[in-house]
Amino acid sequence: EIVLTQSPATLSLSPGERATLSCGASQSVSSNYLAWYQQKPGLAPRLVIYDASSRATGIPDRFSGSGSGTDFTLTINRLEPEDFAVYYCQQYGSSLTFGGGTKVEIK
Amino acid sequence: QVQLVQSGAEVKKPGSSVKVSCKASGGTFSSYAISWVRQAPGQGLEWMGGIIPIFGTANYAQKFQGRVTITADESTSTAYMELSSLRSEDTAVYYCAKRGGYNSAPFDYWGQGTLVTVSS
Repeated sequence: EIVLTQSPATLSLSPGERATLSCGASQSVSSNYLAWYQQKPGLAPRLVIYDASSRATGIPDRFSGSGSGTDFTLTINRLEPEDFAVYYCQQYGSSLTFGGGTKVEIK
Repeated sequence: QVQLVQSGAEVKKPGSSVKVSCKASGGTFSSYAISWVRQAPGQGLEWMGGIIPIFGTANYAQKFQGRVTITADESTSTAYMELSSLRSEDTAVYYCAKRGGYNSAPFDYWGQGTLVTVSS
């Protein structure tokens, strides 16, 4: 099973700043089948990025994904108030596993 | 537009079973790949298993093998997740989610979640 480790656990930033979230895999993710989800309290997760760098439908272009192999990054430029949430990475190349999440909170 | 609507909250005794439903609309249910993901209070997401109704067979995460059964009823466009031998650690919100393809696809639609509370 591929283990995904997300860092940091919590990111404290102000609106307008850039957020950089990391996701490391215990082994190479097949074909970079890596997704990022956003989850707000009491709601289901929402797909943000898939295939490591493709934005899902309706996701603004301030969200971008990058990386390959075992190291992946989600970048959120110019944080908006609605972006403060928990973000999970997920690999779907070999079965399915999720990272532990990064909480992006208002500083 | 695909919609996944789950059954309501459940309270169960330790040792019992729970069966959660997920009714789909707005697409071709038999061609979906539906998975179940759970989230314990304050914790992360955990994939339990999934099914593709047109193929009929389910696959499960090793952790839940033997304790979870995922089925689908094409006639009602509904997927089910049954978890047996419940213990307090199974208290969680259970989500159904649809993948964007049969394999190698992320979850593009999610149900609203069903809270299952296991308590004596």
